Amino acid sequence: NAGVTQTPKFRILKIGQSMTLQCTQDMNHNYMYWYRQDPGMGLKLIYYSVGAGITDKGEVPNGYNVSRSTTEDFPLRLELAAPSQTSVYFCASKTRGSGPDLGEKLFFGSGTQLSVL
Amino acid sequence: GQNIDQPTEMTATEGAIVQINCTYQTSGFNGLFWYQQHAGEAPTFLSYNVLDGLEEKGRFSSFLSRSKGYSYLLLKELQMKDSASYLCAVYNQGGKLIFGQGTELSVKP
Repeated sequence: NAGVTQTPKFRILKIGQSMTLQCTQDMNHNYMYWYRQDPGMGLKLIYYSVGAGITDKGEVPNGYNVSRSTTEDFPLRLELAAPSQTSVYFCASKTRGSGPDLGEKLFFGSGTQLSVL
Repeated sequence: GQNIDQPTEMTATEGAIVQINCTYQTSGFNGLFWYQQHAGEAPTFLSYNVLDGLEEKGRFSSFLSRSKGYSYLLLKELQMKDSASYLCAVYNQGGKLIFGQGTELSVKP
C-alpha cells in the first residue's frame, strides 16, 4: 500500500498565483485532514472531511478551499497565494470510529513545502 | 471549541525519565493522540488513548484522565534519538482533530 500520497513535495509560488495540493490515500479511510505547520509551531487544522461529499472548516480555513468528490482524494486549493501561506502542508487520513480495538491511528503524507514570494 | 496546552520545550538527560503533560478542553471528546516529529519529517504515531488509565508501549507510556482533561506522555531510558517535538492531539465526535503547539524535547548526554 502507498498510504497517503501528497504532491508536489516542493513548490514556489508568486503572490496572487493559484495552485492545488494533491492528496490521495489508498486505505479506504473516511476521514481526511489538511494541516499547515509553520516553523517551530504545531499543526494547524485547515479543513477536514468525514466522507465523500462532506467538508468542514478547521482552525485556519481562510484563503483555502477543498473538495471531496471521492473517498480517495482530498485536494487543497489556494486561490490567491499570499506570503502568509508559506508553510509546510500535511495531509492525513484515518479510519472512522473510535476505540483502541479499531486501531485508531492518523496516517500522514510526507508533506509539501510551499513558499510564496 | 477545542483548546490544547502543552509546554513549549523541555530538557532531559540521556538515560533519565521525562513526562510531557497535555491539558485539553473539548466538547464530545473521542480520543487523544501523541505523535513524535523530528525536524523536517512528518509526524509518527506514538499512542492513542480513549479510556482513562495508562497505556504502555515499550519505553513510551501514555496516560489519560477524561474527567480532568489531562494526559501525559512518559518516556523512559531516554536516548539521544528521542530529541524531537512531541505533539498532543484531541479528536472529537464530529471528526475534528486538533493538535497542540508541540513540546520540543532536547536530550543531553
